[in-house]
Amino acid sequence: DGGITQSPKYLFRKEGQNVTLSCEQNLNHDAMYWYRQDPGQGLRLIYYSQIVNDFQKGDIAEGYSVSREKKESFPLTVTSAQKNPTAFYLCASSIDHATASKFFGPGTRLTVL
Amino acid sequence: SQQGEEDPQALSIQEGENATMNCSYKTSINNLQWYRQNSGRGLVHLILIRSNEREKHSGRLRVTLDTSKKSSSLLITASRAADTASYFCATVLTGGGNKLTFGTGTQLKVEL
Repeated sequence: DGGITQSPKYLFRKEGQNVTLSCEQNLNHDAMYWYRQDPGQGLRLIYYSQIVNDFQKGDIAEGYSVSREKKESFPLTVTSAQKNPTAFYLCASSIDHATASKFFGPGTRLTVL
Repeated sequence: SQQGEEDPQALSIQEGENATMNCSYKTSINNLQWYRQNSGRGLVHLILIRSNEREKHSGRLRVTLDTSKKSSSLLITASRAADTASYFCATVLTGGGNKLTFGTGTQLKVEL
């Protein structure tokens, strides 16, 4: 089955710790994205990558980091510098650029204790 | 502020009725997309309408786009309980590359 997966589904971490969220796709998509969703809100773009070994900051990149060493994988690290990390994180991919629709993963709910 | 703003924020209807959600945006777009999200899940792409299109249909979905008013509407006809979800519009701005900017969403509840 082709698709995009995120793990884990639920993640708890202590304040001050870094944590990495996984996102994998086997759709052969070039572009991948990370969004954050807070309760009752729309999605906000954290980082995106149009091609392997390249990525750009989105609207709320502070306190986050990413890497794109392989086409299939786009992990997101939530660092201790992120002031309000508790949120629902969604990864997405698309074939290419502006006109393409996005395929979303099931999301990871991160709670900082 | 958000590029897209949906209206209403929440909508409750009876099964079989039609549901209409509206989306307004602020700047020139390349295309506008509608997504659906079930509670606590990822988003599912429903339909994409380009800036030079005025109306598109997909099954029970009908989307319109009025670029002069910078607005779009999503109509779900003959709604079912399974349509209960949040619906988001998202825009790709003219010259905005592949960045998708989401609105705040409309929560739709379809009751039996």
